[in-house]
This record gives sequence, C-alpha cells and structure tokens, in this order.
Amino acid sequence: AQSVTQLDSQVPVFEEAPVELRCNYSSSVSVYLFWYVQYPNQGLQLLLKYLSGSTLVESINGFEAEFNKSQTSFHLRKPSVHISDTAEYFCAVQKTSYDKVIFGPGTSLSVIP
Amino acid sequence: DGGITQSPKYLFRKEGQNVTLSCEQNLNHDAMYWYRQDPGQGLRLIYYSQIVNDFQKGDIAEGYSVSREKKESFPLTVTSAQKNPTAFYLCATRSQLAQDTQYFGPGTRLTVL
Repeated sequence: AQSVTQLDSQVPVFEEAPVELRCNYSSSVSVYLFWYVQYPNQGLQLLLKYLSGSTLVESINGFEAEFNKSQTSFHLRKPSVHISDTAEYFCAVQKTSYDKVIFGPGTSLSVIP
Repeated sequence: DGGITQSPKYLFRKEGQNVTLSCEQNLNHDAMYWYRQDPGQGLRLIYYSQIVNDFQKGDIAEGYSVSREKKESFPLTVTSAQKNPTAFYLCATRSQLAQDTQYFGPGTRLTVL
C-alpha cells in the first residue's frame, strides 16, 4: 500500500525568502505524484504533477517540484514566496490512472510580511 | 459556468439527525468522490463512484451513505451512526480522459451540535 509523509506540519517563512515543503512517499510500484494547494475554507486546486519524463515539474506561479526516485521524494520549492502563497499544501500519490489518490497530512505555509 | 457545486457552504445539525450534503457537477466527468478533511489528517476517502448507479466504499465509509442516480449528482448522507461527523467535506470529480487529475468543489463545513 502507498503512503505519503509530509515532514513539516507548519512552515513559517518571511516574504521573498525561499521555501521548501518536503514530501516523501512509499510505494513498491511506479506512481504519479501531485501537489495540491488549499486556500482557507476552499477546495483543493492542483498545483503541479509528475506523471513521467522530466523529473522537474513547474507550476505557473513559480513553484517547482523534483521527483527523486532513489529517495522517494517529491519536494516542493519556490525561490521567493509572496503573501498570497499562504495556504495549506498537500502532497499526493496515485498508483495508476485508475487508482485512488492517497493524500499526505498537509503542510501549512505561512508567509510573514 | 462549468464546475463543481457543493451546497450549503456551512451546515449545522443536532446530534442524532441525518444530513445530506449536495455535490453537483457540469464537467461531464464520470467519476466522483467524497473526502473528509480533519485538521492534521489530510483527506480521507469516504465513497467514490466511477459510473452512474455504481459506487464503492472508501477508507472511512462507516456512518455514511451515497447514491449515484445521475451522472451530475453524488449526494452524501451523514447518518446518526457516524460517531464524529463534524468536519470539512470535499467532493471531487475525475474525467475518464484525464484519469490523473481530480477537480475539487469548494467544500461543506458540517458542524454537529
């Protein structure tokens, strides 16, 4: 069975500083990997995903994540955060196109002005 | 305006009462999902449906029931058998053409008094 670990439940960071949100997964087979973002009292929005190919994937708002198979990690990074990035971030794993999605517990990112 | 609608946004019920949460979509997606979100636990799958008139239990189905009579609708009933129903409930959909991405509704916050 797959599982997802997000090592940091809360990450405070000053505005314009870099940030890394960590995600590790366990699976005996190849998986798809996702990062979702949730703003207060809203649903989740897909931020970026890794399906295959290049191990570095990027979002339109400056986030990037790198798939590391040997370390079974999919850490999310942004070189300079903005106040509007304050949200809950969920890492997720899916075994195949037709399988259930397993979500991590989430990391709360707080950007401090 | 395409998307997923969940109503109401906030719902209050007395203990022992059944309550039904609405989820409607006009994305023409085949699969629909119900998740429960609790602080620090991420999302947990309650029920899902891959096709009309068919649904399967997720990881925490006890105390919940669903129906899928129409492609557009997947209502969730929280019964009095659910021991701790107060939570944020999220509905999601997924297309047969893009099995790797789930789309989420805005959520319903249920408080049982």
